[in-house]
Amino acid sequence: SQQGEEDPQALSIQEGENATMNCSYKTSINNLQWYRQNSGRGLVHLILIRSNEREKHSGRLRVTLDTSKKSSSLLITASRAADTASYFCATSSNSGYALNFGKGTSLLVTP
Amino acid sequence: GAVVSQHPSWVICKSGTSVKIECRSLDFQATTMFWYRQFPKQSLMLMATSNEGSKATYEQGVEKDKFLINHASLTLSTLTVTSAHPEDSSFYICSALKVDSTDTQYFGPGTRLTVL
Repeated sequence: SQQGEEDPQALSIQEGENATMNCSYKTSINNLQWYRQNSGRGLVHLILIRSNEREKHSGRLRVTLDTSKKSSSLLITASRAADTASYFCATSSNSGYALNFGKGTSLLVTP
Repeated sequence: GAVVSQHPSWVICKSGTSVKIECRSLDFQATTMFWYRQFPKQSLMLMATSNEGSKATYEQGVEKDKFLINHASLTLSTLTVTSAHPEDSSFYICSALKVDSTDTQYFGPGTRLTVL
């Protein structure tokens, strides 16, 4: 069943601006991951944050996790047209590695 | 790196036929692989967990007799859609679990199935 809920569902920004996407989940998790998917393609793993971590950085990506609010955010700084894609959060529980995906945020970055 | 391939990348078949999709981990061994289905403009839904050398674990609502999964080696899992119907048309994506410090799932590029 769907675990995560992302918002916004769609986001349109201009190059150079920052993009922030949020994800909420319902049950306790082991970790939370963010993936990117270009239209009709497979998923690319962006970043994993464990339940005992609060913030993580990777290049232009910044992920936060608030387990008390059961939410996470993905910030893409200085966005580029090539960042245009759908972004999904996915959680895994303490009972296994299977991922529950959110509904995704469709990001459009215009030149 | 960790690379997962899928074959075929797309397939069109007639209603009633069976289609086999392969998922391979190219540079690591994976005792656990996962099969997901994604309908247009929707998220990924887990169908089943494929375990090397044992039976797959199916999610609720997924017919195990329709979606046959075989994980015969540490680098290959196959999904066979039996007696496919138009409602089975979807994007099927596999992932392979690389067990290391991060236990990350690496995804294949997906297979687009169209059943006429």
